[in-house]
Amino acid sequence: AQSVTQPDIHITVSEGASLELRCNYSYGATPYLFWYVQSPGQGLQLLLKYFSGDTLVQGIKGFEAEFKRSQSSFNLRKPSVHWSDAAEYFCAVGLSGGSNYKLTFGKGTLLTVNP
Amino acid sequence: DGGITQSPKYLFRKEGQNVTLSCEQNLNHDAMYWYRQDPGQGLRLIYYSQIVNDFQKGDIAEGYSVSREKKESFPLTVTSAQKNPTAFYLCASSRKQGTYEQYFGPGTRLTVT
Repeated sequence: AQSVTQPDIHITVSEGASLELRCNYSYGATPYLFWYVQSPGQGLQLLLKYFSGDTLVQGIKGFEAEFKRSQSSFNLRKPSVHWSDAAEYFCAVGLSGGSNYKLTFGKGTLLTVNP
Repeated sequence: DGGITQSPKYLFRKEGQNVTLSCEQNLNHDAMYWYRQDPGQGLRLIYYSQIVNDFQKGDIAEGYSVSREKKESFPLTVTSAQKNPTAFYLCASSRKQGTYEQYFGPGTRLTVT
């Protein structure tokens, strides 16, 4: 069964600093990979996705993520964090080319931004 | 505007009562999902449906029931058999083609006392 690990439960960064959120997956084939963001008490918003092609994908709000097959990772990055980026971030993996459309989510990383 | 609506935003019930959470989408998506979210637990899949009149149990289906009579609607009933029903419930939908990313509603916070 596929699984997703987000090793960092909580990360604190200063506004303007760079950010990297880690995501590792366990799956035999090339998966579809997603990053979502959730503000408190809200639903999840899709930041970006990877399904094939260029391993560096750009998303909304200035985020990017890089797929590294050799490391089974899909880390999310942002060069300069803004206070409004404080939220919880979820990595998710889906089965490519199958008939099962479920996604498996990591447990999330809570981002705190200090002024 | 296309999207997913969940109502109500906040719901309060007494223990022993069944309660139904609403989820409607106008994205013309075939697949719909219900998740439960508890602090530190991430999202856990309760039920999903890939087509009208058909649905499958997810990882934590006990104490919950669903129906899918229309493509646009996927209501979730939290029954009195659910031991810890207080949680944040999220509904999502997706296409069955392409990369089938899921789109989420705003959620319903259910409190049972």
